[in-house]
Amino acid sequence: DADVTQTPRNRITKTGKRIMLECSQTKGHDRMYWYRQDPGLGLRLIYYSFDVKDINKGEISDGYSVSRQAQAKFSLSLESAIPNQTALYFCATSDSGGAFYGYTFGSGTRLTVV
Amino acid sequence: AQKVTQAQTEISVVEKEDVTLDCVYETRDTTYYLFWYKQPPSGELVFLIRRNSFDEQNEISGRYSWNFQKSTSSFNFTITASQVVDSAVYFCALSEGGGSTLGRLYFGRGTQLTVWP
Repeated sequence: DADVTQTPRNRITKTGKRIMLECSQTKGHDRMYWYRQDPGLGLRLIYYSFDVKDINKGEISDGYSVSRQAQAKFSLSLESAIPNQTALYFCATSDSGGAFYGYTFGSGTRLTVV
Repeated sequence: AQKVTQAQTEISVVEKEDVTLDCVYETRDTTYYLFWYKQPPSGELVFLIRRNSFDEQNEISGRYSWNFQKSTSSFNFTITASQVVDSAVYFCALSEGGGSTLGRLYFGRGTQLTVWP
């Protein structure tokens, strides 16, 4: 099994629908992140969580919400999907130790809103 | 303002050419980390290198090398004798600060490298 698992891998949904993207990890990391990738814009941070009781907005949180159900699970919700939320979404985790060794990424969820 | 700038949106080379991908970063912190990731057409993000702000030694790994220059806030990536399998989007990223602020990665917009046979 992958260290960071995202489900679903691909999803097509209609405008106005609620959709949840799920992320689970077996790394034992405290910190989890949701990023969105659009062509030519790189990866932009949506939300991040440094522990179960800590949730923070990133650069582009409007239209999204998150839930940290447990240390290992961090879900991203689109309450009412719109076409410009069509993107590739990545979940990532990192350790909270003194040094920073970067992220462990999931494989991504390709979301299309029609 | 962008914390990480990758000015080259797309680069095309022919196999065996050397190619350098530029990355310029901006931070006021003295402790920070720089990264390069590769995203092949399959879409996953592959870690290439991590460098902390106190280590300015250049690094070579096979055909890959990295030039870190604090004086110009640059962390450039060179591929020597490029191959078709190097075709991918490459991202430079920065994490700044220490302690509780450490952990957020700021990504550049990426450089699409295409290597033609």
